[in-house]
Amino acid sequence: DAKTTQPNSMESNEEEPVHLPCNHSTISGTDYIHWYRQLPSQGPEYVIHGLTSNVNNRMASLAIAEDRKSSTLILHRATLRDAAVYYCILLQTSGSRLTFGEGTQLTVNP
Amino acid sequence: EPEVTQTPSHQVTQMGQEVILRCVPISNHLYFYWYRQILGQKVEFLVSFYNNEISEKSEIFDDQFSVERPDGSNFTLKIRSTKLEDSAMYFCASSEADRGWPEAFFGQGTRLTVV
Repeated sequence: DAKTTQPNSMESNEEEPVHLPCNHSTISGTDYIHWYRQLPSQGPEYVIHGLTSNVNNRMASLAIAEDRKSSTLILHRATLRDAAVYYCILLQTSGSRLTFGEGTQLTVNP
Repeated sequence: EPEVTQTPSHQVTQMGQEVILRCVPISNHLYFYWYRQILGQKVEFLVSFYNNEISEKSEIFDDQFSVERPDGSNFTLKIRSTKLEDSAMYFCASSEADRGWPEAFFGQGTRLTVV
């Protein structure tokens, strides 16, 4: 599986935007970029995914670099409830197995 | 909103005993998964299941483990002869399809403690 690299931790203030980066320089043309998050003591939760174009949904936006070697998850206005570990995961079109790394621990300050 | 439900939320068992962890996936989903997370470690894939058979399994999923869909709604993980190192959170997940794009919905997990 292609590997992703994320910062171990990031901090944000409530109501401010948060940009969570992910590097995936060995991504293949058929890899989807998925983001999941895990709130404390809960199961992982799907956030967003994309292939080539930027994506928006009610939770977040995903900005994908033109060469697809990196992406950024954008939370437009962080809330305390957004404090979680965020995982950037590459998923092949032929696969369904999610390979979780260490992720980024996001702390949101009031 | 539809959700994956898991029971029990916490199971304590003695080493060497068998446990069955239960999951009710989202009703129109066809693909089912088990993952586990040992305390303080990464979430690890165990197995995926489709059309009443295992479609993929990890090296963790050895003969000690088995999965079953005994009826139209439940999906179970059986762990035989439990060991201390089997203590972990076990997450069930389901998805509509298995081709790269569909989101997986996870349950809240069962905390298994082997004593």
